[in-house]
Amino acid sequence: NAGVTQTPKFRILKIGQSMTLQCTQDMNHNYMYWYRQDPGMGLKLIYYSVGAGITDKGEVPNGYNVSRSTTEDFPLRLELAAPSQTSVYFCASSYGQDPGGYTFGSGTRLTVV
Amino acid sequence: GNSVTQMEGPVTLSEEAFLTINCTYTATGYPSLFWYVQYPGEGLQLLLKATKADDKGSNKGFEATYRKETTSFHLEKGSVQVSDSAVYFCALMNNNAGNMLTFGGGTRLMVKP
Repeated sequence: NAGVTQTPKFRILKIGQSMTLQCTQDMNHNYMYWYRQDPGMGLKLIYYSVGAGITDKGEVPNGYNVSRSTTEDFPLRLELAAPSQTSVYFCASSYGQDPGGYTFGSGTRLTVV
Repeated sequence: GNSVTQMEGPVTLSEEAFLTINCTYTATGYPSLFWYVQYPGEGLQLLLKATKADDKGSNKGFEATYRKETTSFHLEKGSVQVSDSAVYFCALMNNNAGNMLTFGGGTRLMVKP
């Protein structure tokens, strides 16, 4: 099925380790986003991209980095994992011409111990 | 800045009961408003939207009316089913270059047979 694919689905990291959360979409959407969802809280925007080669910070970018070398891929990098980064991470994509019409991935549940 | 406030859950209803989930927002200008639904273990899905005052969004028996005078976008359904059990998120988009959404904290709905 077409859509947004996130890997891995689950991961446990030790404090100070690094990892990359992968996100791929096959709908030729130009806009892509990374959100984190903490228990009982809404989604907070980490980074977003309006096209290949263009990225910008969202509400909670500290401790994360992104790149957008192709339209399809938007990986999220954690350099020095901290317990505060324990969360569920969602990647989403949309057409710029369809405001709000996001397609979400199924999420990555990350635990930092 | 922009913000969205939802009623806290969980909301527990019997099948065929009437549902209301309250949502109010703070934003300058004329934002677009959305309801997203998250089923267990899945990403969020767009349920309905409204882009201007007095618009009514509807889908799958759910409705919400954009009320600018009360800055509200309450979600309603006349007769809920067990399959409606999920977390519901209200969100707004307010004329930004990246079509970024601001989400409320989510409301968990549990429908009992």
